Amino acid sequence: NAGVMQNPRHLVRRRGQEARLRCSPMKGHSHVYWYRQLPEEGLKFMVYLQKENIIDESGMPKERFSAEFPKEGPSILRIQQVVRGDSAAYFCASSPSLAGDYEQYFGPGTRLTVT
Amino acid sequence: AQKITQTQPGMFVQEKEAVTLDCTYDTSDPSYGLFWYKQPSSGEMIFLIYQGSYDQQNATEGRYSLNFQKARKSANLVISASQLGDSAMYFCAMREENAGGTSYGKLTFGQGTILTVHP
Repeated sequence: NAGVMQNPRHLVRRRGQEARLRCSPMKGHSHVYWYRQLPEEGLKFMVYLQKENIIDESGMPKERFSAEFPKEGPSILRIQQVVRGDSAAYFCASSPSLAGDYEQYFGPGTRLTVT
Repeated sequence: AQKITQTQPGMFVQEKEAVTLDCTYDTSDPSYGLFWYKQPSSGEMIFLIYQGSYDQQNATEGRYSLNFQKARKSANLVISASQLGDSAMYFCAMREENAGGTSYGKLTFGQGTILTVHP
C-alpha cells in the first residue's frame, strides 16, 4: 500500500506566480489535512478536507490560499501571487474514513521556495 | 484552544544512553490524544507513539515510551538506548478526540526539540 504522495517535492516560484501543490492520500483514505512548516518552526494546521468538502479551514490565510479535494484526483493546495513569506515546507496528511485508526499519515512534503 | 510547549530547543545525549524530551500541553477538551513525531534531516514526518488521554497505562513502542502525567499536563518522550540514527527534530502534538478515542481533528504541534546523539 503506497503511502501519502506529494508532488512536486521541490517547487521554485518567482514572486507573483502561482504555486500548485498536490497530495494523493493513502488508498482508502478520504480525509486530507494540509500543514505548513516555516523554517525553524513546528507544523501549523491549514485546512482539513474530505472528498468535495472543506471541513475546517481555520488555519488558512484569508487571501491567496485555497484548497480542494475533488471526487476524483488528488487534493490541491493553491497559492496565488506567491510572496517570499510563503516559502515553507507544506505537508499533507491523510486518515481513513473508518473509526478506529488514530494516526494521520504524512507525506514527504513539498518545499516551496519563492525567489 | 489547544497549545503544546516544548521548552528544550536542543538536547544532547551519548550513544546508548536514555534521553527525555519534554512536552507540556494545555487544553480544555475532556478527551484528547498526544503524539510524538520524528523529523530527520531529510524532512519527512515519522510517527513514533500515541497516548490517549483516557489510557491508564503509558504508551510504549520499542525504544520509545511516553511518560504521561495527566495532572501535570505533560507527555514527555523517553528514548532508551539512543542510537546515532535518533539524531533528528522531535515534535510533540495533540488532537481533540471523542470519548471513543477516534477523531478526524487537526493536530496542534509544538516548536520541536533537536536531538543530537554523540558517539
